[in-house]
Amino acid sequence: AQTVTQSQPEMSVQEAETVTLSCTYDTSENNYYLFWYKQPPSRQMILVIRQEAYKQQNATENRFSVNFQKAAKSFSLKISDSQLGDTAMYFCAFTPSGTYKYIFGTGTRLKVLA
Amino acid sequence: GAGVSQSPSNKVTEKGKDVELRCDPISGHTALYWYRQSLGQGLEFLIYFQGNSAPDKSGLPSDRFSAERTGGSVSTLTIQRTQQEDSAVYLCASSLGTARADQPQHFGDGTRLSIL
Repeated sequence: AQTVTQSQPEMSVQEAETVTLSCTYDTSENNYYLFWYKQPPSRQMILVIRQEAYKQQNATENRFSVNFQKAAKSFSLKISDSQLGDTAMYFCAFTPSGTYKYIFGTGTRLKVLA
Repeated sequence: GAGVSQSPSNKVTEKGKDVELRCDPISGHTALYWYRQSLGQGLEFLIYFQGNSAPDKSGLPSDRFSAERTGGSVSTLTIQRTQQEDSAVYLCASSLGTARADQPQHFGDGTRLSIL
């Protein structure tokens, strides 16, 4: 079975500091996509960053970057220069190429402290 | 352009009543998903529509749950004879097609359903 595990239910970080959220997954697929979504209290899920498994280069979007370790099946999210607006639930998601099924982790609640 | 629109934003109803939740996907998106998110939990897949293909209903938790998508656009999720355990946020998402990194899901704001 394909699973996504986020082992940190809650985390906090001081404003302007850096924080890393962990995500591991289990699959026998070779080609797939990985995503991090952010869900602030407003409830809307917002795409933060995406990674294609066949690309070795780690994806980066402004202050957000990933550390993708395919062999270890790890996909962590690093948030640099944390801002109060980064306070949210963060979900890691996996989908095999050519399918439509997304498997989501249980989320990490991140609180940025002033 | 307009994002995924869901209505109502909040719904409070009595146990045993039927409810309908609506999702209007992004124009041109052929794939539409419904998820359920219980308090403090992750997303539970409910149902998936893709174009004119038969929907994947494998995530629907019971026969009280049903969904339809008319004209390949707007979708309605119906819960009959609601029970307290149905209380959750129901999220709808759409995408251009089969999952790809350049065709991610776009989510609506969800409907918070509370069963008294």
